[in-house]
Amino acid sequence: DAKTTQPNSMESNEEEPVHLPCNHSTISGTDYIHWYRQLPSQGPEYVIHGLTSNVNNRMASLAIAEDRKSSTLILHRATLRDAAVYYCIGRNRDDKIIFGKGTRLHILP
Amino acid sequence: GAVVSQHPSRVICKSGTSVKIECRSLDFQATTMFWYRQFPKQSLMLMATSNEGSKATYEQGVEKDKFLINHASLTLSTLTVTSAHPEDSSFYICSARNPLRQGVGDTIYFGEGSWLTVV
Repeated sequence: DAKTTQPNSMESNEEEPVHLPCNHSTISGTDYIHWYRQLPSQGPEYVIHGLTSNVNNRMASLAIAEDRKSSTLILHRATLRDAAVYYCIGRNRDDKIIFGKGTRLHILP
Repeated sequence: GAVVSQHPSRVICKSGTSVKIECRSLDFQATTMFWYRQFPKQSLMLMATSNEGSKATYEQGVEKDKFLINHASLTLSTLTVTSAHPEDSSFYICSARNPLRQGVGDTIYFGEGSWLTVV
């Protein structure tokens, strides 16, 4: 898995957009960028993934830099239920998942 | 709903005893499952990869005789913590790969986790 760097924690106000950055400068050309999140006392859940193009789904958007050395997970309108640890992972799609430290997102009401 | 289920969600056992945690894939056959442990305020640490019908592959530093993994069917993997000690108290999480989702979305689903407390 590619090494990723994320801020330890971030804060955002409820109902505002949140941009979670991730640096993955050593990512290989075939590694996908995956994002998972873990709510308190739960297993991780898949959020989104992409290879080169920006991606959107019902949970979030993923903006991938043209050089693929960084990406940003975008939560368009944060709610209190989005408070979680967000993990950015670079991996081949069928590889095992190795988690880094992630970003703990706090949502302020 | 959950596609990977763990049981029990919480268990307390006495020091020196063994405890088994089950991981089931509910609506797909999983040839590969993964086991993680997580201490409070820390990230998930991969313990082993469980392959149906063969021996598990353990990550470096994980004692295979301490953490017995059995993947006897395509929908069930078990983790047995043998001779448990208080330092084994942790949150144990499994995940399963759905081979049919290759090329569509993500392929790996996580269980809800199991809290183990050794007293």
